[in-house]
Amino acid sequence: GAVVSQHPSRVICKSGTSVKIECRSLDFQATTMFWYRQFPKKSLMLMATSNEGSKATYEQGVEKDKFLINHASLTLSTLTVTSAHPEDSSFYICSARAYGTTPYEQYFGPGTRLTVT
Amino acid sequence: QKEVEQNSGPLSVPEGAIASLNCTYSDRGSQSFFWYRQYSGKSPELIMSIYSNGDKEDGRFTAQLNKASQYVSLLIRDSQPSDSATYLCAVTSGAGSYQLTFGKGTKLSVIP
Repeated sequence: GAVVSQHPSRVICKSGTSVKIECRSLDFQATTMFWYRQFPKKSLMLMATSNEGSKATYEQGVEKDKFLINHASLTLSTLTVTSAHPEDSSFYICSARAYGTTPYEQYFGPGTRLTVT
Repeated sequence: QKEVEQNSGPLSVPEGAIASLNCTYSDRGSQSFFWYRQYSGKSPELIMSIYSNGDKEDGRFTAQLNKASQYVSLLIRDSQPSDSATYLCAVTSGAGSYQLTFGKGTKLSVIP
């Protein structure tokens, strides 16, 4: 149980284009999903917290107009990197928090490696 | 500023030995504590959660929590080369907060 998928796993795009990343909870309902970014040899950086049916809460320094988050259902959240630039190249990972007896546990998706050329 | 501190390592242990990973946190109101394992190039995988003082065992893994000392540890018994990874300590703060604050991780290397 508690499986989270992400799509795509790897994407290369040109500077100035937009990229959408999907995060799905496959066998549970996720009231809250989180989006992280991780640069090489660095720790995870929380970008935003996404609650189903409401606007995402962004961490300080994360541009909400650049990183658009939509949490349209209890099993799907999307992150769109708009007008991507090479400095946006990173490993983007989502996680989901389940209902139930272990509400504080987060389960991570496999990540999406974004390269902007 | 909530902080979670870990020794970055690398921590090297021989195969079959006990690996001991430590973590301290600054927010005394922290309530939930987690250990994640992250292989190079992969996303974190939850291996242990602990919510109350004392020990919690799961297979070869034992998590220990001491809230008075603001300290949480992970012991890996009979370490295997496949345990070689970065171990991330993560903490949530007070009741109702679901955000995780991560440490920078300890890199463990198990030598065959």
